[in-house]
Amino acid sequence: EAQVTQNPRYLITVTGKKLTVTCSQNMNHEYMSWYRQDPGLGLRQIYYSMNVEVTDKGDVPEGYKVSRKEKRNFPLILESPSPNQTSLYFCASRRRLAGNEQFFGPGTRLTVL
Amino acid sequence: SQKIEQNSEALNIQEGKTATLTCNYTNYSPAYLQWYRQDPGRGPVFLLLIRENEKEKRKERLKVTFDTTLKQSLFHITASQPADSATYLCALAPNSNSGYALNFGKGTSLLVTP
Repeated sequence: EAQVTQNPRYLITVTGKKLTVTCSQNMNHEYMSWYRQDPGLGLRQIYYSMNVEVTDKGDVPEGYKVSRKEKRNFPLILESPSPNQTSLYFCASRRRLAGNEQFFGPGTRLTVL
Repeated sequence: SQKIEQNSEALNIQEGKTATLTCNYTNYSPAYLQWYRQDPGRGPVFLLLIRENEKEKRKERLKVTFDTTLKQSLFHITASQPADSATYLCALAPNSNSGYALNFGKGTSLLVTP
């Protein structure tokens, strides 16, 4: 089954404790992206990757890091989480061009205390 | 600046009626416009794509129109059902030669009551 998976689905952590949210897709997509979704603000892009070893900032990259060492994986790293990073996070993938259908993961609900 | 606007007020309609949702945009020349459905706490799911040179697209009970002069897309669900209740997002993609970002509106919540 074609899908994007994320782990963990739920995470409660404390300020300053480094964490990684994993994302994997099995569709051989070139493009992968991370979004956060907050009430009243909609989906905002954090980082995206056009291909292996190619990443770039989205609209709200501060406080986040990503890497793309393999085509299927695109982890999101919070080196020192803060309460304002409490949010619902989605990973997405698609074929290269923006007009293609984008597939989203199930979401990771992160709470930073 | 580029802006995508969807009605922030929830749309409440009765089962069997046609739901019409609006997506307006400014300072944008999208090559593609997509609609997604999102259920609470879940990832958006792709529904339909329409290209800039297409006026209308249909898929089962769904219809999308795209008016590049008005800078507007309308999304229709005919014979609506309670199971159609969800938030619907429009997303705009630029010309494929000028960028790769897919920009989303904030979504409109639809509630279909029996």
